[in-house]
Amino acid sequence: DQQVKQNSPSLSVQEGRISILNCDYTNSMFDYFLWYKKYPAEGPTFLISISSIKDKNEDGRFTVFLNKSAKHLSLHIVPSQPGDSAVYFCAASAGYSGGGADGLTFGKGTHLIIQP
Amino acid sequence: DTGVSQDPRHKITKRGQNVTFRCDPISEHNRLYWYRQTLGQGPEFLTYFQNEAQLEKSRLLSDRFSAERPKGSFSTLEIQRTEQGDSAMYLCASSPGWNTQYFGPGTRLTVL
Repeated sequence: DQQVKQNSPSLSVQEGRISILNCDYTNSMFDYFLWYKKYPAEGPTFLISISSIKDKNEDGRFTVFLNKSAKHLSLHIVPSQPGDSAVYFCAASAGYSGGGADGLTFGKGTHLIIQP
Repeated sequence: DTGVSQDPRHKITKRGQNVTFRCDPISEHNRLYWYRQTLGQGPEFLTYFQNEAQLEKSRLLSDRFSAERPKGSFSTLEIQRTEQGDSAMYLCASSPGWNTQYFGPGTRLTVL
């Protein structure tokens, strides 16, 4: 049973517009959420994170929103740039409760394609 | 901060052979994680060290998989008697605490 779900395998967005990537989770113990970006043949690169005590975190062009009641988070990229084309992974951790010992649980990823 | 490094980047082996991968974490990160990623999937957690102690290993895929971090610095992941199903990207990550993990470039294993 997938505890972290990214239901859109791919997303195409025009350069300069907003990209919105979505993620749902089922495990109520998750209290820390992260987004990673991955290029082919490279390891995931950390983008932005959010603790369950917040509902929004912003870093430059990247904003993550968390809706705990809906067990949903989203990553907004504004404006989208060609270099943003990559696979984006949502990940979750039961950090405070689990001490990080369970590692991160990842979704299957969304391939974001920025069209010129 | 030179980032997490992994060696080798690529490994091709024949079925039945043993392979060992090395991970050097970001210095001063006391937590080290191993993951496996197969095509079309997100990384899958395998095991975790805090300093030299392996605090979680129940998620290792079989008893053919083992990991060590003898001095609390670099770590090795060994797969004995490799099978074709072991072909995947093996990722290492390190963390200074319980939250954000920083990943290395991975080792791509191909078992023929």
